[in-house]
Amino acid sequence: DQQVKQNSPSLSVQEGRISILNCDYTNSMFDYFLWYKKYPAEGPTFLISISSIKDKNEDGRFTVFLNKSAKHLSLHIVPSQPGDSAVYFCAAFSSGAGSYQLTFGKGTKLSVIP
Amino acid sequence: GAGVSQSPRYKVAKRGQDVALRCDPISGHVSLFWYQQALGQGPEFLTYFQNEAQLDKSGLPSDRFFAERPEGSVSTLKIQRTQQEDSAVYLCASSFDGYGYTFGSGTRLTVV
Repeated sequence: DQQVKQNSPSLSVQEGRISILNCDYTNSMFDYFLWYKKYPAEGPTFLISISSIKDKNEDGRFTVFLNKSAKHLSLHIVPSQPGDSAVYFCAAFSSGAGSYQLTFGKGTKLSVIP
Repeated sequence: GAGVSQSPRYKVAKRGQDVALRCDPISGHVSLFWYQQALGQGPEFLTYFQNEAQLDKSGLPSDRFFAERPEGSVSTLKIQRTQQEDSAVYLCASSFDGYGYTFGSGTRLTVV
């Protein structure tokens, strides 16, 4: 039973255009969401997060949108750059659970074409 | 050090062998986590320490998996009698406040 789903295994985008990565979740107890970026042979690195009390969080070229009623979040990267090519993981946790345990999706591999 | 350090980077074990994976967290980070990432999957939670106390071990897949952090700093994940299904990348992460994880580069375990 996957509680965090990233239904697109891969995405190709032209340099300079917008990349939109999607994530759906099923556990209504999740109240904090994060996006991680992972290059080959490295650990995931934190990119951006959003609390369930917000519907948008922006950091430079990266914006995360949260639609609680649809249990859906998305990461927008604009403009996309070749260095953004990596695997992106959506993760979620419940602050009430007490263990800071993250539940990850399977990831979306983004390729930005020069 | 500046980041989370894991060793070894790669480990090949024969089926049935015991292995020990080491994690050096960022100095001063109270929380430490272990995750298992199988090929093509996202990381899956194994266990969580706050200082030396193991507060959550609900993700450990069997009693062959054991983790410790005796002095609240370095942690070791031990897998006894390794099986082929244990082949994965084992990721360690640490944080100061529980929220902001910093992951290490992982140990890739291959059981043959």
